[in-house]
This record gives sequence, C-alpha cells and structure tokens, in this order.
Amino acid sequence: KAGVTQTPRYLIKTRGQQVTLSCSPISGHRSVSWYQQTPGQGLQFLFEYFSETQRNKGNFPGRFSGRQFSNSRSEMNVSTLELGDSALYLCASSVGTADNQPQHFGDGTRLSIL
Amino acid sequence: SQQGEEDPQALSIQEGENATMNCSYKTSINNLQWYRQNSGRGLVHLILIRSNEREKHSGRLRVTLDTSKKSSSLLITASRAADTASYFCATSRRNALNFGKGTSLLVTP
Repeated sequence: KAGVTQTPRYLIKTRGQQVTLSCSPISGHRSVSWYQQTPGQGLQFLFEYFSETQRNKGNFPGRFSGRQFSNSRSEMNVSTLELGDSALYLCASSVGTADNQPQHFGDGTRLSIL
Repeated sequence: SQQGEEDPQALSIQEGENATMNCSYKTSINNLQWYRQNSGRGLVHLILIRSNEREKHSGRLRVTLDTSKKSSSLLITASRAADTASYFCATSRRNALNFGKGTSLLVTP
C-alpha cells in the first residue's frame, strides 16, 4: 500500500507570494491533518479534515487555509507569505480520528521564504 | 501549545546500550503515542498506548504509562546506529496531536 505522498518536496518563495501544498493520503484513509514544524516552535497542528469537512483548526492566522476533496486528497494554501512561514509542512492521514488512531505521515514539503 | 514534554532533550549512547526517554503531559488523556523522525523525513508511528494500559511492547520498544503522574517512558533496548533519530510523544484532543519538543537520540557504533 502506498504511503502518504506530499508534493512538492521543496519550494522556495518570496515574501508576499502565496503557495499551495498537496497531500495524497493512504488509500482508504478519510482523515487528513496538517502540521507545521519549525526549530523554534516544534510541531504545531494546523487543521484536520474528514470527508471534506474541517473538524479542527489550530492557532494559525487566516492566511493558512486548507481543503479536502471527495477522493480524500487535501491541499493547504498559505497567502501573503512571511519569512516566519519557512518550515517543514507535514501531512498525516488515518482511517479515523487522531484521538485513537495512529497517524501516517508523509515526508513533508520544505518551504523556504526569501 | 506543547502538551507533551520529552526529557532529555538529547541523548548520546553506544550501540548495544539501552536508551530511555521520558514524556510528561498536562491534561487527562485517552491515549499517548510515540513517533520517530529521521532527519529530513516525516514522522513514523511507533506505539499507541491507551490510558487504561500500563505497559506495551513492540519489538525492541517498551512503553510505559503512568496516568497518576501524567508521564510516559520509551525504552529502546539493544540500540543500533539506525535508531539515531528524534523521538516525540504526542497526546490527542479533538482530532489533533499535540507534540513535545522531542528527544534527539544519537547512537554511535
């Protein structure tokens, strides 16, 4: 069974631009979550989608948004990029909820803001 | 906010030795999970231990949970160079995982 696939792996943008990251979950997984990882703040939850509905959102500004499609694939978008948005963005999928299921992570998208 | 906090922040041992990492958390939990992250890669799930379990094993891994002390430990026995990675504990609430800052483990040959 193929794992969680994130594209692209690396991305370089400049301040003020916007970016869209993509995540394809494991087949059959309906829950997709996104996390931001930085050296200073560690791993922080962005949002979680289940069957195209956002069930939870972390403490991030409205510039961070996401969506999930009917095939469970998910995208996250960051608008008006800031230097502080430089991070590794990780996507995770599971059959059900993170509250009682292991999460399967992709290798992430490394976003660098110049 | 960080729910779990790992201790120590960094650990350096030789192959064959055991490695123990500790995790403390603040609120009541349904379960606690441990993950490993190799440099530049995603997280790999290791073990999920439920609040009514005290100990769980998986291969060379042993996890304990003490809900009265709000703490958990991860023991890796007979460590190998390939165990070099960062290890995170995580609690969950409303479909979101809350991770600690992690323990960076270095296993030297």
